[in-house]
Amino acid sequence: EAGVAQSPRYKIIEKRQSVAFWCNPISGHATLYWYQQILGQGPKLLIQFQNNGVVDDSQLPKDRFSAERLKGVDSTLKIQPAKLEDSAVYLCASSSGTSGVDEQFFGPGTRLTVL
Amino acid sequence: KNEVEQSPQNLTAQEGEFITINCSYSVGISALHWLQQHPGGGIVSLFMLSSGKKKHGRLIATINIQEKHSSLHITASHPRDSAVYICAASSNSGYALNFGKGTSLLVTP
Repeated sequence: EAGVAQSPRYKIIEKRQSVAFWCNPISGHATLYWYQQILGQGPKLLIQFQNNGVVDDSQLPKDRFSAERLKGVDSTLKIQPAKLEDSAVYLCASSSGTSGVDEQFFGPGTRLTVL
Repeated sequence: KNEVEQSPQNLTAQEGEFITINCSYSVGISALHWLQQHPGGGIVSLFMLSSGKKKHGRLIATINIQEKHSSLHITASHPRDSAVYICAASSNSGYALNFGKGTSLLVTP
């Protein structure tokens, strides 16, 4: 079974530029999560999708971050414009169910550096 | 919001030692997750438990619901166990995980 795929693995941009990340979850997984992990901290949820609907985006900085999951499969996360404090690893995860007792499977992450 | 605290933040052990990492959380949960993150690598789920104890190889996870506390134990530690171990709690409402800051473990030969 293929795991969660993410691209790119690394991205370096200058502040005020735009960037987009892509995630392809495990086939058949209804729930998709985007997390932000700043160095030295645990991951923080940005947005959770169930199929193509948003379940929780309360911690997504909506003035600059956007995400979509068209057709309920793969997803993109965009930052426009980027700030220095956006430097982090962006993790995508998926699970077959929607509750906290479902195991989440994580992708390798995208390491973003904003200069 | 569930506050998840881990201790210690950093841990160095010699190969063969018994290791314990602790996790406490502030409100009731539906499940407690232990995850492993290698440098430059993704996150792998080790355990998910809501009561009692689970064992997988040299890893043991326990949880005490009344005390809102969980522990991850590693027996006969090995340098390949070096990684960041993260505790995460899912609330009773069933939404996404709240993560601790992680415990960075280094096992030296």
